[in-house]
Amino acid sequence: DAKTTQPTSMDCAEGRAANLPCNHSTISGNEYVYWYRQIHSQGPQYIIHGLKNNETNEMASLIITEDRKSSTLILPHATLRDTAVYYCIVRVGNTGGFKTIFGAGTRLFVKA
Amino acid sequence: EAGVTQFPSHSVIEKGQTVTLRCDPISGHDNLYWYRRVMGKEIKFLLHFVKESKQDESGMPNNRFLAERTGGTYSTLKVQPAELEDSGVYFCASSQIGLGGNTIYFGEGSWLTVV
Repeated sequence: DAKTTQPTSMDCAEGRAANLPCNHSTISGNEYVYWYRQIHSQGPQYIIHGLKNNETNEMASLIITEDRKSSTLILPHATLRDTAVYYCIVRVGNTGGFKTIFGAGTRLFVKA
Repeated sequence: EAGVTQFPSHSVIEKGQTVTLRCDPISGHDNLYWYRRVMGKEIKFLLHFVKESKQDESGMPNNRFLAERTGGTYSTLKVQPAELEDSGVYFCASSQIGLGGNTIYFGEGSWLTVV
């Protein structure tokens, strides 16, 4: 699985959009970009994933650059409950189970 | 639909004792994973089952850890004998094989404290 690089921490004002960047310059053509988050000590929570097109769901949007070497997770209206560690993971995931490699992630602080 | 469930949620045992953690994956999920996070460290992969078979156990720290998934449904992770450095939270996750990616869903974890 490709390695990712994320900022250690970020701040965001409540109600504003939180934009979390991720670099994955060594991503392979068949690797997906996944985002998970861990709120306090809970289990990691799936947010969104994509291959090359931008994706949106009820939680967030995922913007992947055309060369797929980086991506941005967007929480459109951050709330205090979005304070968590966000993990960007790239992995092959279309034909079977593969281990998900967690890095240090980005610690997002949403402030009132 | 029930998510991944783990039991017990918390366990405190003495060094040298045995603990067995249980994971019930999402119904129908063939893939089952174990991870753990020790204090201050990153989440680390332990092993991966496909149905009842161990697909990858490269993350298992040593032979004090034994994972089983008889019948391809729930899984157990036994630590025997437990050491102080085994303290942490053990996460189980499951996924189903399919197209369009392979989303892994995690349980809430089993907290283990070895004293």
